[in-house]
Amino acid sequence: DTGVSQDPRHKITKRGQNVTFRCDPISEHNRLYWYRQTLGQGPEFLTYFQNEAQLEKSRLLSDRFSAERPKGSFSTLEIQRTEQGDSAMYLCASSPEDGVYGYTFGSGTRLTVV
Amino acid sequence: AQTVTQSQPEMSVQEAETVTLSCTYDTSESDYYLFWYKQPPSRQMILVIRQEAYKQQNATENRFSVNFQKAAKSFSLKISDSQLGDAAMYFCAYRRGGATNKLIFGTGTLLAVQP
Repeated sequence: DTGVSQDPRHKITKRGQNVTFRCDPISEHNRLYWYRQTLGQGPEFLTYFQNEAQLEKSRLLSDRFSAERPKGSFSTLEIQRTEQGDSAMYLCASSPEDGVYGYTFGSGTRLTVV
Repeated sequence: AQTVTQSQPEMSVQEAETVTLSCTYDTSESDYYLFWYKQPPSRQMILVIRQEAYKQQNATENRFSVNFQKAAKSFSLKISDSQLGDAAMYFCAYRRGGATNKLIFGTGTLLAVQP
């Protein structure tokens, strides 16, 4: 297992387009998290899954955002009708169920909306 | 709501010297965990060190150690014998105990290491 993988690494899109990001967690980890990080800020929680169940969503996750984790394996984060304010680094992380030893992060997907 | 504050946006240290990064947090919980993460430029975030709130002993990991002051809600990171590879953004993070394990991050401290 090579850790948490995210694809693509970079995405440039025009305002109003839809984008989808993929995250492949560490296979033994049943929890998967999505965070958003803007320049000069710490990561902000978006949502997390335990297996295929989405257990918590942040108020930051507007109706234009949707995340899925079919079969409890990889996850996708879709943003519809992108806005310039969506430009950020989207980080995925995974952990064993209790998460008390922290997360393993992926390298992130940098989204630029023009 | 829990919050994490890092009051030092940037710090600088000479190679081989020691530097301390500050972090304070606000919580009414008694059971929680604290973490320091390192994010090198254009690279993924990695865990540096963690501390369990119920443990009085400060955590250490090689050149990295923490000063955990529970009553003061302070969790500083000390890096000894600083190396050029320590240059990165450092984030302090809080996790409440129990079933939920969402991490709450501070705004980060950018550490520069001067040769």
